[in-house]
Amino acid sequence: DQQVKQNSPSLSVQEGRISILNCDYTNSMFDYFLWYKKYPAEGPTFLISISSIKDKNEDGRFTVFLNKSAKHLSLHIVPSQPGDSAVYFCAARLWAGNTPLVFGKGTRLSVIA
Amino acid sequence: NAGVTQTPKFQVLKTGQSMTLQCAQDMNHNSMYWYRQDPGMGLRLIYYSASEGTTDKGEVPNGYNVSRLNKREFSLRLESAAPSQTSVYFCASSEFDTMTGAGANVLTFGAGSRLTVL
Repeated sequence: DQQVKQNSPSLSVQEGRISILNCDYTNSMFDYFLWYKKYPAEGPTFLISISSIKDKNEDGRFTVFLNKSAKHLSLHIVPSQPGDSAVYFCAARLWAGNTPLVFGKGTRLSVIA
Repeated sequence: NAGVTQTPKFQVLKTGQSMTLQCAQDMNHNSMYWYRQDPGMGLRLIYYSASEGTTDKGEVPNGYNVSRLNKREFSLRLESAAPSQTSVYFCASSEFDTMTGAGANVLTFGAGSRLTVL
């Protein structure tokens, strides 16, 4: 039973346009959400996060939006650059002490020049 | 600025052979994790160690054992490798905020170990 779902395995966007990556979750007890970015042959790296008490967090070109009622979050990248081409993982944390993150299956973003 | 170091980076095994993947972090983090990544499956947790001296099973622990040797090191052992264990393995660490319990639980990942079992 997948608790964190990224329903789009891949996404192609033209350089300069907006990229929107989506993530849905099923467990209302998740209290913290993160996005990781992964290049080939490298480990994932932390990109941006958001607490469940907020609905938006912005860091430069990256913005994460959280809609708790819909159990949905999205990552916006504006403007998209070729260097943003990577696999993006959505992750969530269940507040029950020190519990591990639950990851989605990832979305491969290709930014076309 | 080593962060999380995994060895080896690549390994080819025959079915039934054993091996240990090593992981060390130099950030003084309390928690360490082993994930595997397979095509279309995302990152799946094998085992984790919330703190030195403790280990717990994750989503896919069968066929693996772990040892939290000290605060820095967390190893993953395959006792009898199977082709289904062909994967890329990632070690990660994090610092859990015991005061607030919320917010930062950001994982720092190693570069990965690609294992092929023939």
